[in-house]
Amino acid sequence: TQLLEQSPQFLSIQEGENLTVYCNSSSVFSSLQWYRQEPGEGPVLLVTVVTGGEVKKLKRLTFQFGDARKDSSLHITAAQPGDTGLYLCAGNAGNNRKLIWGLGTSLAVNP
Amino acid sequence: NAGVMQNPRHLVRRRGQEARLRCSPMKGHSHVYWYRQLPEEGLKFMVYLQKENIIDESGMPKERFSAEFPKEGPSILRIQQVVRGDSAAYFCASSPRTGSLSGANVLTFGAGSRLTVL
Repeated sequence: TQLLEQSPQFLSIQEGENLTVYCNSSSVFSSLQWYRQEPGEGPVLLVTVVTGGEVKKLKRLTFQFGDARKDSSLHITAAQPGDTGLYLCAGNAGNNRKLIWGLGTSLAVNP
Repeated sequence: NAGVMQNPRHLVRRRGQEARLRCSPMKGHSHVYWYRQLPEEGLKFMVYLQKENIIDESGMPKERFSAEFPKEGPSILRIQQVVRGDSAAYFCASSPRTGSLSGANVLTFGAGSRLTVL
């Protein structure tokens, strides 16, 4: 069974701090996606990473896909209260259109 | 250029009643997915449908739950004889027939339907 484990499960930090959250698996994924979900809303896609070792930047967010395509990280620089939300990673295993989802990291950024 | 539309946003039912949740996929999308989410938890896959076909219902409870995506109209998630444990947020997502340029299956989510069973 393919699993994606996200850590930490909960994270509460002060505005301006940096943080990294992780998405790990023992399985290889052809691609991996990161979503952010705000309270009362559906998840919204942030980024898709496809190539092992790939790094993508989205303003203050930096996403990295592991060389072996088994893990990924999300680093946020100078976190802001607007970054608060549930960060979910989801992996695509080859031709299977069904995504494998992690349980998410719940981030709270306090002003 | 509407996204994925779900209704109702909030639904209250008494035990034993039926709940019907509707989802209109994004324009041009032919694949629909239903997920369930409890507070402080991640998404739990329920079912994946294309027009008139159920592709994967491995996450759907065997009893009381059904889903359809007819040729015309929205996808429907139907819960019969609801129980308190059915209270949750139900999210619908859609994707196009083919993957993105990278080959990844990227989903667009609706805002969810929150079911409360009294």
